[in-house]
Amino acid sequence: QVQLQESGPGLVKPSQTLSLTCIVSGGSISSNNYYWTWVRQPAGKGLEWIGRIYTTGSTSYNPSLKSRVTISIDTSKNQFSLKLSSVTAADTAVYYCARVSTARDGYNHYYFDCWGQGTLVTVSS
Amino acid sequence: DSQMTQSPASLSASVGDRVTITCRASQSISTYLNWYQQKPGKAPKLLIYVVSSLQSGVPSRFSGSGSGTDFTLTINSLQPEDFATYYCQQTYSTPWTFGQGTKVEIK
Repeated sequence: QVQLQESGPGLVKPSQTLSLTCIVSGGSISSNNYYWTWVRQPAGKGLEWIGRIYTTGSTSYNPSLKSRVTISIDTSKNQFSLKLSSVTAADTAVYYCARVSTARDGYNHYYFDCWGQGTLVTVSS
Repeated sequence: DSQMTQSPASLSASVGDRVTITCRASQSISTYLNWYQQKPGKAPKLLIYVVSSLQSGVPSRFSGSGSGTDFTLTINSLQPEDFATYYCQQTYSTPWTFGQGTKVEIK
């Protein structure tokens, strides 16, 4: 059974770059069947999609964060990463990584079927 | 962007009740609609994908319906473990977006 685990600093200073890694175990990140994605959730608020990456390295980002986000993949380590630059207090949130599966109906119906436990990142000096 | 609006924002219900949560998209998203359950301090959990397909292991008291812009999540015979926040999500177009959540509380 696939498991995802986020790792990275829990405290980042304003204007610096937030860096997180999601380690995937129990399955290959190189599978053609999945995308890999990041989602964040400020305390007491809803879920915000950050972006996704495919095994080839192809990415798609939320336009609201696009200028500051980079998602990369390392198939040799079975992990993918998130970098968010120029952070402010508004970027304080729990960050989740997740696997994106596709329904086998030929219509690219995507859904997030496996999630990491989440990691709290606080932006503060 | 496709904005997703859930109603109500919160509701109080008793064990055994039937609960319905509505999700409305700002534009047609066909059947690209998923539902998640989140409990405090935990990651969201996929309940239903493609409007009405039940994720493996999810009890059959959960069901979904709709198409286009209007969708519903129904919980038949609410159980103690169902008290949580529920989110709808569209994956019709990027940026993928979530509803603001509906908190189901114990009456």
